[in-house]
Amino acid sequence: DADVTQTPRNRITKTGKRIMLECSQTKGHDRMYWYRQDPGLGLRLIYYSFDVKDINKGEISDGYSVSRQAQAKFSLSLESAIPNQTALYFCATSDIGENQPQHFGDGTRLSIL
Amino acid sequence: GQNIDQPTEMTATEGAIVQINCTYQTSGFNGLFWYQQHAGEAPTFLSYNVLDGLEEKGRFSSFLSRSKGYSYLLLKELQMKDSASYLCAVRDRGGATNKLIFGTGTLLAVQP
Repeated sequence: DADVTQTPRNRITKTGKRIMLECSQTKGHDRMYWYRQDPGLGLRLIYYSFDVKDINKGEISDGYSVSRQAQAKFSLSLESAIPNQTALYFCATSDIGENQPQHFGDGTRLSIL
Repeated sequence: GQNIDQPTEMTATEGAIVQINCTYQTSGFNGLFWYQQHAGEAPTFLSYNVLDGLEEKGRFSSFLSRSKGYSYLLLKELQMKDSASYLCAVRDRGGATNKLIFGTGTLLAVQP
């Protein structure tokens, strides 16, 4: 979904480095999410945010932190990257409403050596 | 606990019909979504069910039975471009967050 943009698209880095993945959206949605996807495990929620002043942990938040700088921007940080954080990371947004789907960015493929 | 089950892989023939099943056990239920994901790409929304019954949208239909904790996605007139993973996702109660629990996906291969 071109309205949800993730940068970078690919990143290779070393163990112990700090990494930031960025997400911006032009959909005007209040709700934003960060997921990771691993083969055989599906999409797992890391953090989510209802609005600029709201941050909530998902099911696998350890080792990650987030910042909601504006309605349109939600960044994910790995303070000290480790190899098992190698995965495909997706940002998503949704509008308010029970039937509203989440809209995903194109993903960031992160490899930690 | 939370559990969503889908077959890992399926194969079907171009022009045929295929049904992809999803069963779920969650602490609450407030809607079920189906997404399509081509390899290396973002998931894209296909359908939403919150009440029992069939929702039809072109070649794709989705069915829900809340009492059985069961849904299926039906793809008709299969095309080669339908080769993708299909993800079932359940929204748990506490729906204000729109948090979704995803299954691991069903990889569909459409053959000529």
